[in-house]
Amino acid sequence: EVQLVESGGGLVQPGGSLRLSCSAAGFTFSDHRMTWVRQAPGKGLEWVASVKQDGSQSFYVDSLRGRFTISRDNAKDSLYLQMNSLRAEDTAVYYCARWTADYKAFDIWGQGTMVTVSS
Amino acid sequence: QSALTQPPSASGSPAQSVTISCTGTSSDVGYYNYVSWYQQYPGKAPKLLIYEVSKRPSGVPDRFSGSKSGNTASLTVSGLQAEDEADYYCSSYAGDSTWVFGGGTKLTVL
Repeated sequence: EVQLVESGGGLVQPGGSLRLSCSAAGFTFSDHRMTWVRQAPGKGLEWVASVKQDGSQSFYVDSLRGRFTISRDNAKDSLYLQMNSLRAEDTAVYYCARWTADYKAFDIWGQGTMVTVSS
Repeated sequence: QSALTQPPSASGSPAQSVTISCTGTSSDVGYYNYVSWYQQYPGKAPKLLIYEVSKRPSGVPDRFSGSKSGNTASLTVSGLQAEDEADYYCSSYAGDSTWVFGGGTKLTVL
């Protein structure tokens, strides 16, 4: 079964750091760009970052560049998001999603992991 | 990287049709034919409904259709069913390997 499973969310104080993980199964992970998308409580989806298949290049929404780092380990079929200097406004469900060249869209999504930034 | 504009809500009665708009700019929706639509139920992950403006992945009912004119894309749901009540999001490629989503539309089946 094709699936993505996120982990690593939780409660963190403002200014703190957190590393999210996303484990992939059921498809050739190294064939696909991967992405993080977040959704603040009661709000819409926001594209956060994407990484190329071989991890050689990563791309970020302007507002987060410098604080968040996306990376991947194709040997472990895993995607990561390192989040530093966290702020209350980073509170959201974070989804990892597979981007497919067949559709030029995000066709597989994980169930999400909740990140709460609060003192 | 400004969010695409969607109406916050839309509604229709069973069997009717409803259209949700998604307005961007000449740098995203208007320039690229990489507009996609996602359906999301409360507490669940989004699901891909439409890709490349008007194409449906296998398994998506043909009641869902997409189109684009200028800087505005649209999702039409025909023959509304109770199970179509959900949030709908559009997304567009915005160049330089970046993407943008709409604010979402809550569809209510009356």
